Amino acid sequence: EDKVVQSPLSLVVHEGDTVTLNCSYEVTNFRSLLWYKQEKKAPTFLFMLTSSGIEKKSGRLSSILDKKELFSILNITATQTGDSAVYLCATPKNSNSGYALNFGKGTSLLVTP
Amino acid sequence: NAGVMQNPRHLVRRRGQEARLRCSPMKGHSHVYWYRQLPEEGLKFMVYLQKENIIDESGMPKERFSAEFPKEGPSILRIQQVVRGDSAAYFCASSPGHWEQYFGPGTRLTVT
Repeated sequence: EDKVVQSPLSLVVHEGDTVTLNCSYEVTNFRSLLWYKQEKKAPTFLFMLTSSGIEKKSGRLSSILDKKELFSILNITATQTGDSAVYLCATPKNSNSGYALNFGKGTSLLVTP
Repeated sequence: NAGVMQNPRHLVRRRGQEARLRCSPMKGHSHVYWYRQLPEEGLKFMVYLQKENIIDESGMPKERFSAEFPKEGPSILRIQQVVRGDSAAYFCASSPGHWEQYFGPGTRLTVT
């Protein structure tokens, strides 16, 4: 059975700190890995990674995938209180399910002023 | 272009009643996914539908739960004879047919 495991489950940091969130996976027929941010409501898309070693970057957020070691990290630099959210990692299920996603439990990040 | 819409946003049902959750996908999207999020748990896939077809319902409980996506109108997730364990947030996501999924704001179901 496919697995997506995120760590840590929760994290509290001060504004300005840099954080690294981890996501490891065991997936048959890996296609991609996606990161989402969830603030109380709908998850919003951050990144999709398909190739190993290529960093995706958006402002203070960046992510990279290691297909050999089966993990991805999400980095947030110079954190702000608005970064407080649950960060979800997901991989698509088998190809019969279209792109139905298999999510990890998430990392709950709290950035304090 | 309006986003994915779900209604109601909050639904309270007594044990044994029926719950109907609606999802209107983004314009032009013909693929709909339903997920459930239990307290302290991640999002769990329930069912994947295209117009008038259920493609994969492997994540949906066999009893009491059903889903449809008719030719016209929203996708409906129906839960019959609700129990306390059905209390959760139910999210719908739509896609034009590839990896990009857009999530709705969710329906928070509370069973009393």
